[in-house]
Amino acid sequence: NAGVTQTPKFQVLKTGQSMTLQCAQDMNHNSMYWYRQDPGMGLRLIYYSASEGTTDKGEVPNGYNVSRLNKREFSLRLESAAPSQTSVYFCASSESIGAGYTFGSGTRLTVV
Amino acid sequence: DAKTTQPPSMDCAEGRAANLPCNHSTISGNEYVYWYRQIHSQGPQYIIHGLKNNETNEMASLIITEDRKSSTLILPHATLRDTAVYYCIVKSGSQGNLIFGKGTKLSVKP
Repeated sequence: NAGVTQTPKFQVLKTGQSMTLQCAQDMNHNSMYWYRQDPGMGLRLIYYSASEGTTDKGEVPNGYNVSRLNKREFSLRLESAAPSQTSVYFCASSESIGAGYTFGSGTRLTVV
Repeated sequence: DAKTTQPPSMDCAEGRAANLPCNHSTISGNEYVYWYRQIHSQGPQYIIHGLKNNETNEMASLIITEDRKSSTLILPHATLRDTAVYYCIVKSGSQGNLIFGKGTKLSVKP
């Protein structure tokens, strides 16, 4: 039982490049989330999907897009990466919005 | 803004109970208290949550005061592996955003 799997674990991008962060969960959870964590800032919600077929903006959605591909997968896309998007990105899932979240191990992204 | 106040750091001796306090004086009737922890460079880990009754699971106990304005997370027998940042979060069951504050850095010492 892998839980929440994020790929890649590390990535370096040049300014202006695009990339997609992948997230998959095998717990049959309905809700999925993308957070970013910057030093001294704590975790901030980028987007979430309460259930398959729905997505909603979080605190810091600018510069990102998401796709809830199916119940298992929730991807985060950076269309034109900027140095301000250098961060650690965490994906999470939960059985419902009110349940406890299970987090992945993170993707460490550096934009130069 | 985070709706909770936690001490920035605490120490605990290995094998002793760790009692982590959290103030949430503006909590609403439909809001739960959640606790997560983050061990260095790992993803946060869910510990426990509750509405008004005390809760216990295999990891910890959650004690919520009768007026619900504060709570305490109890790790009954702290180990070195419990060294982490502990986050107390208040959120309604229908709200999609877990707002993480700065948390309490718990250091368990031999």
